[in-house]
Amino acid sequence: KAGVTQTPRYLIKTRGQQVTLSCSPISGHRSVSWYQQTPGQGLQFLFEYFSETQRNKGNFPGRFSGRQFSNSRSEMNVSTLELGDSALYLCASSLDSGATTGELFFGEGSRLTVL
Amino acid sequence: SQKIEQNSEALNIQEGKTATLTCNYTNYSPAYLQWYRQDPGRGPVFLLLIRENEKEKRKERLKVTFDTTLKQSLFHITASQPADSATYLCALVQYNNNDMRFGAGTRLTVKP
Repeated sequence: KAGVTQTPRYLIKTRGQQVTLSCSPISGHRSVSWYQQTPGQGLQFLFEYFSETQRNKGNFPGRFSGRQFSNSRSEMNVSTLELGDSALYLCASSLDSGATTGELFFGEGSRLTVL
Repeated sequence: SQKIEQNSEALNIQEGKTATLTCNYTNYSPAYLQWYRQDPGRGPVFLLLIRENEKEKRKERLKVTFDTTLKQSLFHITASQPADSATYLCALVQYNNNDMRFGAGTRLTVKP
Protein backbone atom coordinates (compact mmCIF):
# COMPACT_ATOMS: atom_id res chain seq x y z
CA LYS A 1 0.00 0.00 0.00
CA ALA A 2 1.56 3.29 -1.07
CA GLY A 3 2.02 5.93 1.62
CA VAL A 4 1.18 9.60 1.54
CA THR A 5 2.92 11.29 -1.36
CA GLN A 6 3.81 14.96 -1.36
CA THR A 7 5.17 16.92 -4.28
CA PRO A 8 7.42 18.69 -4.77
CA ARG A 9 9.82 17.63 -2.03
CA TYR A 10 11.91 20.80 -2.25
CA LEU A 11 11.30 24.17 -3.77
CA ILE A 12 12.73 27.66 -3.68
CA LYS A 13 10.62 30.75 -4.28
CA THR A 14 11.11 34.47 -3.90
CA ARG A 15 9.04 36.88 -1.86
CA GLY A 16 5.76 37.83 -3.46
CA GLN A 17 5.46 34.67 -5.51
CA GLN A 18 2.88 31.99 -4.91
CA VAL A 19 3.27 28.25 -4.48
CA THR A 20 1.06 25.19 -4.80
CA LEU A 21 1.84 21.99 -2.95
CA SER A 22 0.23 18.66 -3.68
CA CYS A 23 -0.67 15.70 -1.49
CA SER A 24 -1.92 12.27 -2.50
CA PRO A 25 -3.32 10.42 0.51
CA ILE A 26 -3.24 6.70 1.15
CA SER A 27 -5.79 4.94 -1.01
CA GLY A 28 -9.14 4.87 0.76
CA HIS A 29 -8.30 7.71 3.12
CA ARG A 30 -10.79 10.54 2.95
CA SER A 31 -9.35 13.03 5.42
CA VAL A 32 -6.33 15.17 4.60
CA SER A 33 -4.72 17.60 7.03
CA TRP A 34 -1.95 20.12 6.40
CA TYR A 35 0.66 21.30 8.87
CA GLN A 36 3.46 23.82 8.79
CA GLN A 37 6.59 22.89 10.69
CA THR A 38 9.31 25.36 11.64
CA PRO A 39 12.10 25.06 14.20
CA GLY A 40 10.64 27.83 16.34
CA GLN A 41 6.94 26.98 16.21
CA GLY A 42 6.85 23.23 15.79
CA LEU A 43 3.92 21.63 13.97
CA GLN A 44 1.17 24.18 13.35
CA PHE A 45 -2.22 23.06 12.05
CA LEU A 46 -3.27 24.71 8.80
CA PHE A 47 -6.50 22.98 7.75
CA GLU A 48 -8.27 19.68 7.39
CA TYR A 49 -10.38 18.46 4.50
CA PHE A 50 -12.85 15.63 4.36
CA SER A 51 -14.86 14.70 1.27
CA GLU A 52 -13.86 17.93 -0.49
CA THR A 53 -15.02 20.11 2.42
CA GLN A 54 -12.81 22.08 4.75
CA ARG A 55 -13.79 20.94 8.23
CA ASN A 56 -11.29 22.86 10.32
CA LYS A 57 -8.89 25.71 9.89
CA GLY A 58 -5.96 26.86 11.99
CA ASN A 59 -4.85 30.39 12.73
CA PHE A 60 -3.15 31.28 9.49
CA PRO A 61 -3.80 34.29 7.25
CA GLY A 62 -5.96 34.06 4.18
CA ARG A 63 -2.86 33.75 2.01
CA PHE A 64 -2.92 30.09 2.96
CA SER A 65 -5.65 28.15 1.23
CA GLY A 66 -6.37 24.60 0.25
CA ARG A 67 -8.76 22.31 -1.50
CA GLN A 68 -9.54 18.66 -1.86
CA PHE A 69 -10.59 16.87 -4.99
CA SER A 70 -13.11 14.07 -5.44
CA ASN A 71 -10.32 11.49 -5.42
CA SER A 72 -9.20 12.84 -2.00
CA ARG A 73 -6.02 14.38 -3.37
CA SER A 74 -5.38 17.76 -1.86
CA GLU A 75 -3.51 20.91 -2.72
CA MET A 76 -2.52 23.87 -0.65
CA ASN A 77 -1.62 27.26 -1.98
CA VAL A 78 0.32 30.09 -0.41
CA SER A 79 0.08 33.44 -2.16
CA THR A 80 2.28 36.52 -1.79
CA LEU A 81 5.04 34.54 -0.13
CA GLU A 82 6.91 36.01 2.82
CA LEU A 83 10.29 35.04 4.23
CA GLY A 84 8.53 33.61 7.29
CA ASP A 85 6.70 31.10 5.13
CA SER A 86 9.91 29.10 4.79
CA ALA A 87 9.06 25.79 6.42
CA LEU A 88 8.41 22.12 6.00
CA TYR A 89 4.81 21.62 4.92
CA LEU A 90 3.44 18.26 5.97
CA CYS A 91 0.35 16.52 4.73
CA ALA A 92 -1.32 13.76 6.70
CA SER A 93 -4.15 11.45 5.79
CA SER A 94 -6.52 9.25 7.74
CA LEU A 95 -9.56 7.13 7.00
CA ASP A 96 -11.92 9.61 8.56
CA SER A 97 -10.32 11.85 11.10
CA GLY A 98 -7.59 11.32 13.63
CA ALA A 99 -10.15 11.43 16.38
CA THR A 100 -12.11 8.43 15.22
CA THR A 101 -9.56 6.16 13.61
CA GLY A 102 -6.61 6.84 15.84
CA GLU A 103 -3.74 7.95 13.73
CA LEU A 104 -2.50 10.27 11.06
CA PHE A 105 -0.23 9.04 8.30
CA PHE A 106 2.22 11.72 7.30
CA GLY A 107 4.04 12.30 4.05
CA GLU A 108 7.70 13.26 3.89
CA GLY A 109 6.83 16.91 3.46
CA SER A 110 7.54 19.71 1.01
CA ARG A 111 10.39 21.93 2.11
CA LEU A 112 9.76 25.48 0.97
CA THR A 113 12.48 28.12 1.06
CA VAL A 114 11.50 31.72 0.41
CA LEU A 115 14.31 34.06 -0.58
CA SER B 1 -5.10 30.39 25.79
CA GLN B 2 -4.63 26.80 24.71
CA LYS B 3 -1.18 25.31 25.16
CA ILE B 4 0.49 21.96 24.69
CA GLU B 5 3.88 21.89 26.38
CA GLN B 6 6.47 19.18 26.21
CA ASN B 7 8.72 19.47 29.19
CA SER B 8 12.04 19.88 27.53
CA GLU B 9 13.46 20.53 24.12
CA ALA B 10 16.11 17.87 24.52
CA LEU B 11 16.69 14.83 26.70
CA ASN B 12 19.93 12.84 26.82
CA ILE B 13 20.06 9.42 28.44
CA GLN B 14 22.31 6.40 28.55
CA GLU B 15 21.50 3.26 26.62
CA GLY B 16 19.49 0.80 28.68
CA LYS B 17 17.86 3.44 30.85
CA THR B 18 14.20 4.46 30.76
CA ALA B 19 13.39 7.69 28.96
CA THR B 20 10.41 9.63 30.31
CA LEU B 21 8.90 12.46 28.26
CA THR B 22 6.17 14.77 29.51
CA CYS B 23 3.27 16.43 27.73
CA ASN B 24 1.18 19.00 29.60
CA TYR B 25 -1.85 20.77 28.20
CA THR B 26 -3.88 23.83 29.17
CA ASN B 27 -7.43 24.75 28.20
CA TYR B 28 -8.02 21.58 26.23
CA SER B 29 -10.58 18.84 26.76
CA PRO B 30 -8.90 16.08 24.82
CA ALA B 31 -10.82 13.07 23.65
CA TYR B 32 -7.55 11.45 22.61
CA LEU B 33 -3.88 11.98 23.08
CA GLN B 34 -1.30 10.53 20.71
CA TRP B 35 2.45 10.21 20.54
CA TYR B 36 4.46 10.39 17.34
CA ARG B 37 8.11 9.90 16.49
CA GLN B 38 9.86 12.13 13.97
CA ASP B 39 13.29 11.56 12.48
CA PRO B 40 15.21 14.44 10.85
CA GLY B 41 13.84 15.33 7.44
CA ARG B 42 10.96 12.86 7.72
CA GLY B 43 7.28 13.09 8.56
CA PRO B 44 6.05 12.04 12.02
CA VAL B 45 5.15 8.41 12.56
CA PHE B 46 2.34 7.33 14.86
CA LEU B 47 3.33 5.37 17.98
CA LEU B 48 0.48 5.19 20.47
CA LEU B 49 -2.98 6.55 21.15
CA ILE B 50 -4.61 6.81 24.55
CA ARG B 51 -8.22 7.78 25.13
CA GLU B 52 -9.55 10.08 27.79
CA ASN B 53 -10.98 7.20 29.84
CA GLU B 54 -7.78 5.15 29.72
CA LYS B 55 -5.02 5.48 32.27
CA GLU B 56 -2.25 3.54 30.59
CA LYS B 57 -1.33 1.97 27.26
CA ARG B 58 1.62 -0.25 26.38
CA LYS B 59 3.25 -1.34 23.17
CA GLU B 60 6.45 -3.35 23.35
CA ARG B 61 8.98 -1.07 25.13
CA LEU B 62 6.65 1.93 25.05
CA LYS B 63 4.22 3.01 27.73
CA VAL B 64 1.91 6.01 27.81
CA THR B 65 -0.07 7.32 30.77
CA PHE B 66 -2.84 9.90 30.71
CA ASP B 67 -3.94 11.87 33.76
CA THR B 68 -6.84 14.20 32.93
CA THR B 69 -6.78 15.66 36.45
CA LEU B 70 -3.15 16.73 36.12
CA LYS B 71 -3.72 17.45 32.41
CA GLN B 72 -0.61 15.47 31.64
CA SER B 73 0.63 12.52 29.65
CA LEU B 74 3.88 10.68 30.28
CA PHE B 75 5.65 8.69 27.56
CA HIS B 76 8.16 6.07 28.63
CA ILE B 77 10.68 4.13 26.57
CA THR B 78 12.20 1.30 28.60
CA ALA B 79 15.56 -0.32 27.85
CA SER B 80 16.32 2.58 25.51
CA GLN B 81 18.57 2.07 22.50
CA PRO B 82 20.52 4.51 20.31
CA ALA B 83 17.97 3.75 17.55
CA ASP B 84 15.33 5.38 19.76
CA SER B 85 17.03 8.74 19.23
CA ALA B 86 14.48 11.02 17.56
CA THR B 87 12.05 13.81 18.30
CA TYR B 88 8.87 12.72 20.04
CA LEU B 89 5.68 14.71 19.63
CA CYS B 90 2.47 14.58 21.61
CA ALA B 91 -0.79 15.52 19.96
CA LEU B 92 -4.34 16.18 21.18
CA VAL B 93 -7.73 15.81 19.57
CA GLN B 94 -10.63 17.49 21.30
CA TYR B 95 -14.26 16.46 21.46
CA ASN B 96 -16.35 17.95 18.66
CA ASN B 97 -13.24 18.87 16.75
CA ASN B 98 -11.46 16.99 14.02
CA ASP B 99 -8.11 18.68 13.96
CA MET B 100 -5.07 17.42 15.84
CA ARG B 101 -2.80 19.87 17.64
CA PHE B 102 0.84 19.07 18.39
CA GLY B 103 3.35 19.97 21.05
CA ALA B 104 6.74 21.31 20.00
CA GLY B 105 8.41 17.96 20.64
CA THR B 106 11.24 16.63 22.75
CA ARG B 107 14.47 15.59 21.05
CA LEU B 108 15.69 12.38 22.67
CA THR B 109 19.30 11.25 22.34
CA VAL B 110 20.25 7.82 23.63
CA LYS B 111 24.00 7.46 24.06
CA PRO B 112 25.71 4.07 23.79
